[in-house]
Amino acid sequence: QQPVQSPQAVILREGEDAVINCSSSKALYSVHWYRQKHGEAPVFLMILLKGGEQKGHDKISASFNEKKQQSSLYLTASQLSYSGTYFCGTPTGNQFYFGTGTSLTVIP
Amino acid sequence: GAGVSQSPSNKVTEKGKDVELRCDPISGHTALYWYRQSLGQGLEFLIYFQGNSAPDKSGLPSDRFSAERTGGSVSTLTIQRTQQEDSAVYLCASSLGLGAGRTDTQYFGPGTRLTVL
Repeated sequence: QQPVQSPQAVILREGEDAVINCSSSKALYSVHWYRQKHGEAPVFLMILLKGGEQKGHDKISASFNEKKQQSSLYLTASQLSYSGTYFCGTPTGNQFYFGTGTSLTVIP
Repeated sequence: GAGVSQSPSNKVTEKGKDVELRCDPISGHTALYWYRQSLGQGLEFLIYFQGNSAPDKSGLPSDRFSAERTGGSVSTLTIQRTQQEDSAVYLCASSLGLGAGRTDTQYFGPGTRLTVL
C-alpha cells in the first residue's frame, strides 16, 4: 500500500530543476508532500486535495493526477537548502502511508 | 510548548526489556500519529488516534507493540520484550484532525532514537 517514488535519488547542481514522482496502486484521495533533512523530523510542504490540482510556493510546486493515481513534485532553480529526502504520503482508511522517499542532493 | 515534544530523545535498552515512549502533541490537535523510521529508511506507519475514537491497531508490527492516548492528549507507545530489530527512530506527529487526516498537515516531533542492544 506504500506509494512508490521515483527516482530513488538525484543529485543536482544549484539552479537545476528536478521532478519527483509518486505513484500509488490504490486510489489517492489526497497527496501530501514532506521534506526531511538529515537527522531532522519531516516538515510539511503541501497537500493536494483534488485531481488536477496544482500548488506551489517559492519554487516548489506539485500536481495531482487522480485518475492516474500519481503526483509529481517540481523543484525549479534548486537551492542548496532543497537538499533532503522527499516523501509523498496519502491517507488510506485509518492509516497514513508515506512513499518510499527520494533523496535529493544539491551541490554548488 | 509550541510544537510536538517527545521523550526521551534517546533510549538505550537491553534486549527483552520493555520501553515506553511518550508524545505530547500540539495543544488543540485531536489527531496523533506514530511512525517508525529505521536507519536510512522511510516512514513506517504504526497507529493513528483521532479524538476519542478507538484506534486502528493493524499497523502495529507485532503484539509486543501497544499505544494509548489518555484524555485525548498525551500518547504513550509501549514496546514489550524489545528485540534488536526494534531499533529505530520513533516519530510522533499531531494534526488538527480535519477531514479524518485527509486534509491535515502533520507536525512532527523530534523523535525518540531507540537502540536495543
